[in-house]
Amino acid sequence: SAVISQKPSRDICQRGTSLTIQCQVDSQVTMMFWYRQQPGQSLTLIATANQGSEATYESGFVIDKFPISRPNLTFSTLTVSNMSPEDSSIYLCSVEVLDSPLWSSYNEQFFGPGTRLTVL
Amino acid sequence: QKEVEQNSGPLSVPEGAIASLNCTYSDRVSQSFFWYRQYSGKSPELIMSIYSNGDKEDGRFTAQLNKASQYVSLLIRDSQPSDSATYLCAVNGDSGGYQKVTFGTGTKLQVIP
Repeated sequence: SAVISQKPSRDICQRGTSLTIQCQVDSQVTMMFWYRQQPGQSLTLIATANQGSEATYESGFVIDKFPISRPNLTFSTLTVSNMSPEDSSIYLCSVEVLDSPLWSSYNEQFFGPGTRLTVL
Repeated sequence: QKEVEQNSGPLSVPEGAIASLNCTYSDRVSQSFFWYRQYSGKSPELIMSIYSNGDKEDGRFTAQLNKASQYVSLLIRDSQPSDSATYLCAVNGDSGGYQKVTFGTGTKLQVIP
């Protein structure tokens, strides 16, 4: 597995502002992911962040709203821009740990502790 | 739209009993399957991975996979109150040329002392 930290752990923000969430891993990983989990809901993938390339966004999520950086193999940031109360959620980063480099679908994902965001 | 279905529960079992959690998935070519445990207010924790048909045991946990029926389950033997949590089923499959994990909505398990 991997040790993953996120900052901040929680924040309360005003409508129209932006928040950048940091995700730090204790080892080099190729794939990092950003998820959103709204109260009582399951996980929704926002985007996949590979080092050295543009993030791949899922349907319903756009780069202008959720810009992502991946400057190296241990770090990524997700920014929630121009926030509204609908963005109130838990934001989670996860990393894929390579058990078998020959077949990536066998690789397991591990999650950071999450960032609880409340937008007023 | 690839789907992963779980009964939301709550599933209530007495302490010491076997808890059985079920999951079905729609993508027939899915390759790998995971069970996560999520305590309230915490992030998901991976507890089991399974890739081949049959059973995989790890301590009190047994994952069962039937690809023909597109069905995966998690059995928890000798259930403890500390097992009370939401259990998420996750399925990894091809999504437009890259691998993507799809999560179910989770089953809430309550173990009654």
